[in-house]
Amino acid sequence: QQPVQSPQAVILREGEDAVINCSSSKALYSVHWYRQKHGEAPVFLMILLKGGEQKGHDKISASFNEKKQQSSLYLTASQLSYSGTYFCGTGISNFNKFYFGSGTKLNVKP
Amino acid sequence: DGGITQSPKYLFRKEGQNVTLSCEQNLNHDAMYWYRQDPGQGLRLIYYSQIVNDFQKGDIAEGYSVSREKKESFPLTVTSAQKNPTAFYLCASSRTGEVRNQPQHFGDGTRLSIL
Repeated sequence: QQPVQSPQAVILREGEDAVINCSSSKALYSVHWYRQKHGEAPVFLMILLKGGEQKGHDKISASFNEKKQQSSLYLTASQLSYSGTYFCGTGISNFNKFYFGSGTKLNVKP
Repeated sequence: DGGITQSPKYLFRKEGQNVTLSCEQNLNHDAMYWYRQDPGQGLRLIYYSQIVNDFQKGDIAEGYSVSREKKESFPLTVTSAQKNPTAFYLCASSRTGEVRNQPQHFGDGTRLSIL
């Protein structure tokens, strides 16, 4: 039931792009994305609801493919402040249930 | 400013002891949640409450108990039955209990260790 994220970790130089993937074995109602800095609380980034929408937030955007039960988070022209662990969370269709993935650790270096 | 306050920030438990983690929110949210996070892992749901005086077990409720007597407060007790309590505990809230389409707001967490 827990979604699977890939890659588990990625190292970037400032200005490079990254893609983080999230896939589920269950039919999805929604996908959420959060970022957590070391030792801090997760911070909400965005929600995507079924309908195949894409959302953007400055240079961070995401897509949701309902049929494939997948979402991808796109980080373009990465900044040092993007470092942290990114979690996807999936809302399940037909049930009011929600599960977090195990996270992708992103390290942006100067 | 509205938010979620967790206390204490660090907590140590002796063998056979019950300990209680505090979580208070002033966001006027209906739903509250407790998660456990182990090093390098994701968040696992312990308990959640959609309204006052009601709560449900999550995926890893054994060894934990909660109460929801007030809308603002959702304390978590880690009982002696929880044999491996060392973890980072996060409390969260959302405006409604429809968790699939509501963003969750998190507190700063409590780090619990065994003495």
